[in-house]
Amino acid sequence: GESVGLHLPTLSVQEGDNSIINCAYSNSASDYFIWYKQESGKGPQFIIDIRSNMDKRQGQRVTVLLNKTVKHLSLQIAATQPGDSAVYFCAESAANTGNQFYFGTGTSLTVIP
Amino acid sequence: EAQVTQNPRYLITVTGKKLTVTCSQNMNHEYMSWYRQDPGLGLRQIYYSMNVEVTDKGDVPEGYKVSRKEKRNFPLILESPSPNQTSLYFCASSPPSGGLDEQFFGPGTRLTVL
Repeated sequence: GESVGLHLPTLSVQEGDNSIINCAYSNSASDYFIWYKQESGKGPQFIIDIRSNMDKRQGQRVTVLLNKTVKHLSLQIAATQPGDSAVYFCAESAANTGNQFYFGTGTSLTVIP
Repeated sequence: EAQVTQNPRYLITVTGKKLTVTCSQNMNHEYMSWYRQDPGLGLRQIYYSMNVEVTDKGDVPEGYKVSRKEKRNFPLILESPSPNQTSLYFCASSPPSGGLDEQFFGPGTRLTVL
């Protein structure tokens, strides 16, 4: 089956620093990738997405980088704030898996004031 | 307010007693999906539906049923719950982009099967 992994289960950063969360995937045919943020007691919340025809996409304080050669995805958060503390999940989908979504196991980000 | 709602939010039941978790969205989304979330395993897709009367198995469909009789509702049915189905369940929906679009998640249903 699909494998979507995260390099680190936890990450601590100082407020104001940049955060980088990494994700690896195994299906070279993956078409679509999403980063979600999940705060305690809530459902996942969309942050940013990227399709396989792009290498980089930027949002407000967030950037997603996609390296299809090594099947690697990263989420960069600029000027990390205490409100960014949460668990972050990457997810991927591919037309050849019937548009099923596969999620990583999550990275817990803690922002130190 | 655009949202995905789930009921109940919390449920404690016993092995073998049939239960249904309801999911409803008011965004006219075609794609709906159910996930379970377990510690260390992330979210795993149970079933998804691309449209009314169209449902497909996800990664972990065993022990679950779904139906999609109308666009807004996508109930999850456990005919004979077992303790290994104790989990946190999320319903999600997304616009009609073949599923390849942002998914909006409900608040979750925490199920305990004794």
